[in-house]
Amino acid sequence: ELKVEQNPLFLSMQEGKNYTIYCNYSTTSDRLYWYRQDPGKSLESLFVLLSNGAVKQEGRLMASLDTKARLSTLHITAAVHDLSATYFCAVDSSGGGADGLTFGKGTHLIIQP
Amino acid sequence: DSGVTQTPKHLITATGQRVTLRCSPRSGDLSVYWYQQSLDQGLQFLIQYYNGEERAKGNILERFSAQQFPDLHSELNLSSLELGDSALYFCASSVLGLQGSPLHFGNGTRLTVT
Repeated sequence: ELKVEQNPLFLSMQEGKNYTIYCNYSTTSDRLYWYRQDPGKSLESLFVLLSNGAVKQEGRLMASLDTKARLSTLHITAAVHDLSATYFCAVDSSGGGADGLTFGKGTHLIIQP
Repeated sequence: DSGVTQTPKHLITATGQRVTLRCSPRSGDLSVYWYQQSLDQGLQFLIQYYNGEERAKGNILERFSAQQFPDLHSELNLSSLELGDSALYFCASSVLGLQGSPLHFGNGTRLTVT
C-alpha cells in the first residue's frame, strides 16, 4: 500500500522567514503533485512534478522532486501571511493509468505577521 | 473557479438515510474522481470513472456507489448512513486519467449525519 508522509503536519512561522515542507512516499513514482487548501475551500493545484530532478517555482513557492530518495520538498521563501493554508502532496503510483492520487495528511501552515 | 460543479454544498441527514451527491466535471474532461475528506482519515480516494465506465476503486464502502452518465456528470450515492460518514466529499476531474495533469477539484459537498 502506498504511503505518503508529510512533515511537519503543523507549522507556525513568521513573515519573512524561509521554511521547507517535506513529502516522503513509499513506492516508486515519478509523478508528484502539490495542492493548496484554504479553510473550508477546495483544493487548488500548485505544482505537477513529472520526473526526477524536476523543480518548479511560482512566486515564493518552489517544489522539487527526487524520485530516487522518494522525496519531494516545498520551499517557502520570505513567507507572507497570504500563504497561510494547508498544503498537500499527492502521489500517482499508477504510471498515469487508472487510479486516484494518494494524498499526504497535509501541512497546516500559519504565517504570523 | 476550477470549472467543476458540485451540488448540494451542504447536506444534513439522519443515520440510516440515503443521499445523492452530484458532480459536473470541467468542460471536456472525461475522468471524474470522488474523494472523501475527514479530520481523522484525511483525503481518501473513493472511485474513478472515465467516459462512463468505472476505472479504479479506492477505499469506497459497499454502502456507497457511483456512476457517470452519458453527459459525463457523476453521482455518488451514499446509503445506510452512519455518523462516521460525516465528511467533505470532493469531486475532481481531468481530461483523461492522471497522465501528468493535475486533478481539478470542485468546492465539495459537506455531509453531516446526525
